[in-house]
Order: sequence, then C-alpha cells, then structure tokens
Amino acid sequence: GNSVTQMEGPVTLSEEAFLTINCTYTATGYPSLFWYVQYPGEGLQLLLKATKADDKGSNKGFEATYRKETTSFHLEKGSVQVSDSAVYFCALSDLRGTASKLTFGTGTRLQVTL
Amino acid sequence: DTGVSQDPRHKITKRGQNVTFRCDPISEHNRLYWYRQTLGQGPEFLTYFQNEAQLEKSRLLSDRFSAERPKGSFSTLEIQRTEQGDSAMYLCASSPRGGSGETQYFGPGTRLLVL
Repeated sequence: GNSVTQMEGPVTLSEEAFLTINCTYTATGYPSLFWYVQYPGEGLQLLLKATKADDKGSNKGFEATYRKETTSFHLEKGSVQVSDSAVYFCALSDLRGTASKLTFGTGTRLQVTL
Repeated sequence: DTGVSQDPRHKITKRGQNVTFRCDPISEHNRLYWYRQTLGQGPEFLTYFQNEAQLEKSRLLSDRFSAERPKGSFSTLEIQRTEQGDSAMYLCASSPRGGSGETQYFGPGTRLLVL
C-alpha cells in the first residue's frame, strides 16, 4: 500500500538557519504530494503541494520539488524564523477507489530558537 | 469562507458511553473526509462522503463507528460504546471536487478522551 516516511524530530535550529525535512513515499501510479503544517493548538493547514513530477511547490519561503526518480518531496527553507516552529506533515493523495484520501507521514516537529 | 468547523473541540467521556461529533464543511465543498490522529502520529483516513453518499470506509472504522451526512451538508461521526483506544483527535476535512490535486481543508479537530 501507499506510505510516507519522514525524518524523525524534533529538529532544532537557530533562527535564520537552513531547513531541510526529508520525505520519501511509496505509491502506485502518480500521486499528488503535499506538505501540511500544524501550529500549536491549531488545525492542519496546507503549506504547499505538487501534482506531477518535477513540479515545485512553494509558499511562505518554503519549497519542495516532486522527485519521481527518488520518490522524494523534501521540504526546504533558506532562513527559518521562530514563528515557523510547528509540526510538519508530508502527505500523498491516493486515487484508488473513489476518494482522493490522504496518506500522511508521522510528522516532524521543528523548533526554532533565537 | 468561514472554513471547516467542528464541534465540540474537546470531549471527555467514560468508557462505554456514546459520543457524537459534528463537522460543518466549507459551504461549496461537496466532498467531506474524516480522519483520526493519535499522539505522535499523522492523521489516518476513516471515511469519505461525496454529497450525502458515503463512498469509502477504512478498515479502521469498526462497527462501533458510524458517520452520516444528511442532505450533503454537515456530517456527524458517532462512536458507540467508547473504548480507551478511541482516545484521539478526530479531524474533518472538505474539498471542492475530486482529483489528486484537490486540496483538502481541515477543521480544528475534536479531541476525545475516554476515561
């Protein structure tokens, strides 16, 4: 079946450091890929997405490129801020059946300090 | 656009009791999803509605769980005879239509604690 594997957290960085959170996936067909973010006490918010190979999703300084050859969708940001502290989830959509249900990774907690 | 809303936000119940959660999707969205998230894990798919029709259910959804979406608007998720293992965050999401690229918008969740 489909699955998503993320690097374990927490990831602790100083403000303005470079961020990479690794995500790899296993899927049949050609899924769409997503990064969701969950800030403390809040619901899941879509951060970015990519729907086909070599697409790059970007939002709020975050980027991720859909790499079919390595089945990866790593999240990057050039300079993190304290306000980026949250849990980040990589996910893929599954078109089997009739629902485009999401399969999530276990999440990676990011802590950014001054 | 007021977003997806869920009620209640928190629920504490005793083992064996029944509980019901409500989800109001974004008004123009015809697809509605329920997920369950346990501590330290990502959300797991439970069930999916297109309008009022429940089109898919996960094997995670035991016979004690039932979901409805009358008239294709709000949805309810009921858990009968709750067990301590049901303690989790229950998330609702909606999307405007199908396809792999369609974004699902999530509500704030209902956190259930079964004592």
